[in-house]
Amino acid sequence: QVQLVQSGSELKKPGASVQVSCRASGYTFTTYAINWVRQAPGQGLEWMGWVNTNTGSPTYAQGFTGRFVFSLDTSVNTAYLQINNLKAEDTALYYCARDLGTITAGTDKYFHDWGQGTLVIVSS
Amino acid sequence: QLVLTQSPSASASMGASVKLTCTLSSGHSNYAIAWLQQQPQRGPRYLMTLNNDGTHTKGDGIPDRFSGSSSGAERYLTISSLQSEDEADYFCQTWGTGIRVFGGGTTLTVL
Repeated sequence: QVQLVQSGSELKKPGASVQVSCRASGYTFTTYAINWVRQAPGQGLEWMGWVNTNTGSPTYAQGFTGRFVFSLDTSVNTAYLQINNLKAEDTALYYCARDLGTITAGTDKYFHDWGQGTLVIVSS
Repeated sequence: QLVLTQSPSASASMGASVKLTCTLSSGHSNYAIAWLQQQPQRGPRYLMTLNNDGTHTKGDGIPDRFSGSSSGAERYLTISSLQSEDEADYFCQTWGTGIRVFGGGTTLTVL
C-alpha cells in the first residue's frame, strides 16, 4: 500500500536550516506529485507548494518563496523540504501529501495520501 | 479568487447525524472538492472526493456513515450515527490552475 514516511522532529535555533524528508513506497514515485503542507500550532492546513516528481520542478505557493526549497532524490523515492534562515513563526507541523491523480493526467489534485508529519520547533 | 469557507465549529450528540458545509467562492460553484478528517494529534486523512452533482468517491476503509452531497456552491459532509472517534477537525480542499486551497476547517464536537 502507499506509504509516506517522514523524518523525525527537529529543534532548531533561529537562522539555522532544517531539512525534512518524505520517503514514498508502494507506488511508482515519479507518477504522482508530492505536495508540502504546513500546520502551525492550533491552526489549519496551508499549502506550501508541490514538486513534479517526474521533472523535479518545484512550484511554491504564495508566501513560500525564497527560504523554502523542494527537492528530490528519485533513487530513494524521497522528497525533501528545506527551510533556510528559520524564524520562530516557522514552528509548525510539516506534512507531505500525494495527489490522487497522476502528474500526466493533470487532474484530481486532491491530497489522498499523507505522511505522518514532522514537527519543526524554532527556538533560541 | 478560489476560496473555501467553513464554519469554525459544529457539535452533535453521539448517535445523531451532523452535516458540515464547505462553500465555494463566487464563480467556482462547479468545482469538486475533497473532504479530509484530522483526529486529535493525528495527520489528515482523505475521506472522499465530492463532485458538484453530489456524486462522491470515498477513500479505502471510510465507513458508510460518511457521505457527501452538493447544492450549488455548497458541498456537504454528512456523518450519521456519530461516534466518539468522529470528534475531529474536518477540512475541505480543492484545486485550480497552479493552486491548491484548503478551507479553514470545522471542529466537530461529539456530545
